[in-house]
Amino acid sequence: GQNIDQPTEMTATEGAIVQINCTYQTSGFNGLFWYQQHAGEAPTFLSYNVLDGLEEKGRFSSFLSRSKGYSYLLLKELQMKDSASYLCAVSLDTGGFKTIFGAGTRLFVKA
Amino acid sequence: DGGITQSPKYLFRKEGQNVTLSCEQNLNHDAMYWYRQDPGQGLRLIYYSQIVNDFQKGDIAEGYSVSREKKESFPLTVTSAQKNPTAFYLCASSTGEIQETQYFGPGTRLLVL
Repeated sequence: GQNIDQPTEMTATEGAIVQINCTYQTSGFNGLFWYQQHAGEAPTFLSYNVLDGLEEKGRFSSFLSRSKGYSYLLLKELQMKDSASYLCAVSLDTGGFKTIFGAGTRLFVKA
Repeated sequence: DGGITQSPKYLFRKEGQNVTLSCEQNLNHDAMYWYRQDPGQGLRLIYYSQIVNDFQKGDIAEGYSVSREKKESFPLTVTSAQKNPTAFYLCASSTGEIQETQYFGPGTRLLVL
């Protein structure tokens, strides 16, 4: 079966660093996405990892270890506007265009 | 402005009624998708289409139907057979290449009266 696990909620302080973990067990793997979703809005793309290692993009970085089925999203210099859900998603190598999504981690940034 | 639009933003369904959710994109994307999102759950794939006049069932297709007569449009019908339709419905599109990210519309929230 296909499974993606993320923590349900996290709380962090403005200006701090937070790491959101994601573990996955899937049959077939093309790559791993991270999306940000504010309440009641559409998900927006943050990052895509295909190879092992760290990808840095401004205040956001994403890490992938394919052998461990593990990824994390690192958010630095947290701002209040970073309060949102963060969705981990795996693109499957099944011959079709299929991506499966985790339930998301709701991040609360407090002053 | 290129993008993907969904309408309406809110939709109310009466018992036994079929309703259709609109999804339009002007990104010239080949692939389009419909997802359902329930509180505390991830996005679940309902249907997807890789090319005009072709579509495949996702994980939760029962009670839903789609059509892809034009590249720009991928409407979703929620039929009376779908017994628990209350959810947030998201349409997405991509170029169709496996590693391409999906771009999402603003969503339609469907409520049952």
